[in-house]
Amino acid sequence: QSVLTQAPSASGTPGQRVTISCSGSSSSIGSNYVYWYQQIPGTAPKLLIYKNNQRPSGVPDRFSGSKSGTSASLAISGLRSEDEADYYCAAWDDSLSGRVFGGGTKLTVL
Amino acid sequence: EVQLVESGGGLVKPGGSLRLSCEASGFTFSRYSMNWVRQAPGKGLEWLSSISTTSVHIYDADSVRGRFTISRDNAKNSLYLQMNSLSAEDTAVYYCSRGSMVSQREDTFDIWGQGTMVTVSS
Repeated sequence: QSVLTQAPSASGTPGQRVTISCSGSSSSIGSNYVYWYQQIPGTAPKLLIYKNNQRPSGVPDRFSGSKSGTSASLAISGLRSEDEADYYCAAWDDSLSGRVFGGGTKLTVL
Repeated sequence: EVQLVESGGGLVKPGGSLRLSCEASGFTFSRYSMNWVRQAPGKGLEWLSSISTTSVHIYDADSVRGRFTISRDNAKNSLYLQMNSLSAEDTAVYYCSRGSMVSQREDTFDIWGQGTMVTVSS
């Protein structure tokens, strides 16, 4: 069972806006930055968002991150078929003295 | 090109050992903390271990503490994971990933290797 909680699945149609949520605790998300990764099956994860809401160069501005208290969200606007992937949130956990990942959300583009 | 390349995976019997390597190129390896992450078949990402630039600060997940040991050789631009007492539950793809130049708490995991498969089976 993951320390960070994500819904196992989400879906949307092309052009739609979808949100993926990540719930943690005061020792994880509540005290540290949140990071988001995209993983297409069979490939390595890719950094999408760092420090709650920062996008690395090359990541489209359709992807955005936010954090409030002990929860965080990843929003994808203008959904495209190539966005179909698994999405993971992550943060440092002060109680565990380690990085924790969410269980992942599989996004399906209908 | 910034790159991480893992090697050393394979088939090992329960109770056996394996040493994974991760060779870095295209960036100043010694300035970054580094991590190992694994993914069991059909499962999510699991962080395993983190090492600071000078190896002074090492953090391990409870699931591998006492069995796995992370290390690095900055002169060789290489990261290692020594895995002992392996069991079927350790079967996974193992990734190395770049941390940060600031603090292990703020590791970005911005660069990932392609992964190396470890299968523990008799």
